[in-house]
Amino acid sequence: GDSVTQMEGPVTLSEEAFLTINCTYTATGYPSLFWYVQYPGEGLQLLLKATKADDKGSNKGFEATYRKETTSFHLEKGSVQVSDSAVYFCALSDQSVRTDKLIFGTGTRLQVFP
Amino acid sequence: EPEVTQTPSHQVTQMGQEVILRCVPISNHLYFYWYRQILGQKVEFLVSFYNNEISEKSEIFDDQFSVERPDGSNFTLKIRSTKLEDSAMYFCASSGVDEKLFFGSGTQLSVL
Repeated sequence: GDSVTQMEGPVTLSEEAFLTINCTYTATGYPSLFWYVQYPGEGLQLLLKATKADDKGSNKGFEATYRKETTSFHLEKGSVQVSDSAVYFCALSDQSVRTDKLIFGTGTRLQVFP
Repeated sequence: EPEVTQTPSHQVTQMGQEVILRCVPISNHLYFYWYRQILGQKVEFLVSFYNNEISEKSEIFDDQFSVERPDGSNFTLKIRSTKLEDSAMYFCASSGVDEKLFFGSGTQLSVL
């Protein structure tokens, strides 16, 4: 079945460092791809999404590009802040049905130190 | 911004006991979900609920689990006889016609 694999955490960075969190997927169809973020004590929030190949989702300085040829959707940010410390989840949904049923990865904890 | 509210934030129970996890979805949403995450594992879909009935459920969602929308505002997940392996973070979510999913902050269930 469909699945998502993302890099193990925690990822520990200094403020203003460059961030990459890897995510690859396996899907029989043509999925939509998402990054969700969970800040301490809060629910998962949609960070960005992409619905077709070569689409780039972006929000709050984060970007991810839908790469069909490598089945990847890596999350990047050029300069992280302490406030970006959170758990980041990569997810996909099957576009042939409602796109709000999601298949998630395990999550990657990001810790940013000043 | 509207939010999904889950209570309690932490629940400790003895094996074999019944637990009810509560959620208040966003008021104009029509689709409701439960997900869970066992420590160190993936967030897993459990069940979706629409028009007062289950629309889809995963293999995890066996006869020990049930969902209910008792009063038009709350959405509950009941586990009839908890097992150790039910220990997890349970997330409620809801969405409207735009299919954008909103999640609650989760209930951490610990079965002893």
